[in-house]
Amino acid sequence: GAVVSQHPSRVICKSGTSVKIECRSLDFQATTMFWYRQFPKQSLMLMATSNEGSKATYEQGVEKDKFLINHASLTLSTLTVTSAHPEDSSFYICSARDGYSPRAFFGQGTRLTVV
Amino acid sequence: RKEVEQDPGPFNVPEGATVAFNCTYSNSASQSFFWYRQDCRKEPKLLMSVYSSGNEDGRFTAQLNRASQYISLLIRDSKLSDSATYLCVVTGGGNKLTFGTGTQLKVEL
Repeated sequence: GAVVSQHPSRVICKSGTSVKIECRSLDFQATTMFWYRQFPKQSLMLMATSNEGSKATYEQGVEKDKFLINHASLTLSTLTVTSAHPEDSSFYICSARDGYSPRAFFGQGTRLTVV
Repeated sequence: RKEVEQDPGPFNVPEGATVAFNCTYSNSASQSFFWYRQDCRKEPKLLMSVYSSGNEDGRFTAQLNRASQYISLLIRDSKLSDSATYLCVVTGGGNKLTFGTGTQLKVEL
């Protein structure tokens, strides 16, 4: 089946620094990828939809200047958390679809801790 | 009202029990429906798709009622390994996945 690889799986960074998370579709081309955030004991919340070759579409309340998304190729999308703060500590997960199938494949997730 | 609502649980059941989870969604235009399973600190994994005709996969049965905007998941003969959070997921316009908060299941000896 389709595989989505996300890296790094865990990162600890200092407050004020930036962190880049990569999401790759390994065996299919993903024109659209989705970025989610999950706080403890809460549901996955969609942050933005990443479109290959164009600007990402952000959900209401998500700061586009803080969460930079780049989808430069059909197999790679990146999320950069800029000037991270402790409240950005969360579990970030990407997902992608294979063609027109409604089924989504998820990356392994990145646990970000900002100290 | 949340787009997708689930009872968060936890449901604590003995091994071998039958347990049912319910989910309601607010957008009548929703197109596709799924149950995902999420283990602690892991990514969600697809358990099964949900259809109006109902579908079964081993010990798991899923059902969709479009008129009531209601989705169910039935697990028979619960195993310890079934312990996880079960996420009700709905897709709508733009192919966005909308997740419920999840229902936590704990299967005990």
